[in-house]
Amino acid sequence: GAGVSQSPSNKVTEKGKDVELRCDPISGHTALYWYRQRLGQGLEFLIYFQGNSAPDKSGLPSDRFSAERTGESVSTLTIQRTQQEDSAVYLCASSLGLRTGGYTFGSGTRLTVV
Amino acid sequence: SQKIEQNSEALNIQEGKTATLTCNYTNYSPAYLQWYRQDPGRGPVFLLLIRENEKEKRKERLKVTFDTTLKQSLFHITASQPADSATYLCALERDNQGGKLIFGQGTELSVKP
Repeated sequence: GAGVSQSPSNKVTEKGKDVELRCDPISGHTALYWYRQRLGQGLEFLIYFQGNSAPDKSGLPSDRFSAERTGESVSTLTIQRTQQEDSAVYLCASSLGLRTGGYTFGSGTRLTVV
Repeated sequence: SQKIEQNSEALNIQEGKTATLTCNYTNYSPAYLQWYRQDPGRGPVFLLLIRENEKEKRKERLKVTFDTTLKQSLFHITASQPADSATYLCALERDNQGGKLIFGQGTELSVKP
């Protein structure tokens, strides 16, 4: 597509429920990234995928967080047993490859855990 | 500890003036540094990238400088317009940490007509 698409744009969930966030990167972009942005704070790295290499999961805050990517296309970020501190905007980005220039971000999914 | 800092106070300037935003970092050896613009409710939009061996990069009304001795990048918008009002983020990638951008908290710029 023309840009990075994320769904849903907003998600309200009850504490303890699982959620899945989806990202459709730009076609042809081999690198895909997930970041989290809490209110009034900077972006926090979560995970990135590059081609067929093993993903770098070093930013995932706990084992409740996981992400998958199908080939070089769609990615899903799953948060199990959500907690209130998980409330944030989850941003996905893609790029042609690592160190190939700037990232193209989606508009994010605003997650609210009540 | 390692950190990247931007002016936390909002920058208010008059239309037509040059806006200068600062990004300082400590304890990193960045391979390159990027600047993004973020509007409320939207994802960041990439503006410019400058590599560690570059001193200055320009794009239309935008200019970025990178001083690895001072560990500082300056972002300039010349002939600023109200449409330039947004939050500007700097981000760096360390030389051995490909794929992980470290972001500053951003500086909010407001350009008054």
